[in-house]
Amino acid sequence: DTAVSQTPKYLVTQMGNDKSIKCEQNLGHDTMYWYKQDSKKFLKIMFSYNNKELIINETVPNRFSPKSPDKAHLNLHINSLELGDSAVYFCASSQELLRTRASYGYTFGSGTRLTVV
Amino acid sequence: GESVGLHLPTLSVQEGDNSIINCAYSNSASDYFIWYKQESGKGPQFIIDIRSNMDKRQGQRVTVLLNKTVKHLSLQIAATQPGDSAVYFCAENRWETPLVFGKGTRLSVIA
Repeated sequence: DTAVSQTPKYLVTQMGNDKSIKCEQNLGHDTMYWYKQDSKKFLKIMFSYNNKELIINETVPNRFSPKSPDKAHLNLHINSLELGDSAVYFCASSQELLRTRASYGYTFGSGTRLTVV
Repeated sequence: GESVGLHLPTLSVQEGDNSIINCAYSNSASDYFIWYKQESGKGPQFIIDIRSNMDKRQGQRVTVLLNKTVKHLSLQIAATQPGDSAVYFCAENRWETPLVFGKGTRLSVIA
């Protein structure tokens, strides 16, 4: 049973389109995150949600809108896709609000590779 | 050997040798650190963590060393195996902030 699952795994789309990536965790964690990994493998936080509430928005364009219908789900919707949005997007979850007191840090999904053409 | 610049730093080691991967963290207020392993096509996976009140922590075949004076973290892998080939990240954390990841090092194990 996958702990943090993301769909789709691959997404190829044209510039200007709108797309969504879904994430679900079955760990009972309170906090979920979206990270973006660029072509140089650099991982950067985008958003953090705690119990369905937005906690962190790290200077991400307004075209990116996260939505958390419940604490087990955090979806990412992207409007008007641009070439620079091409990256791998990772969803993650942790047990406590941001601070990883549990000794295993964040649990990551396997990523969604977004390619904008 | 190592290469830096536009490409991800790479460490090549012979199977059976020990590996040492280094990381410089940025914030002196960070007090919790984690090493992650990312295999191709997968998300980062937890390896080992250390809190700032410790200098060293050992796991199974892995050891993390923390030098707060120079803000340096290292991951030592004993008897490196082909399955250890991956990209390794250090991550730092301080209270009420998300994990901040370092740049990553690719470990390549030569059989």
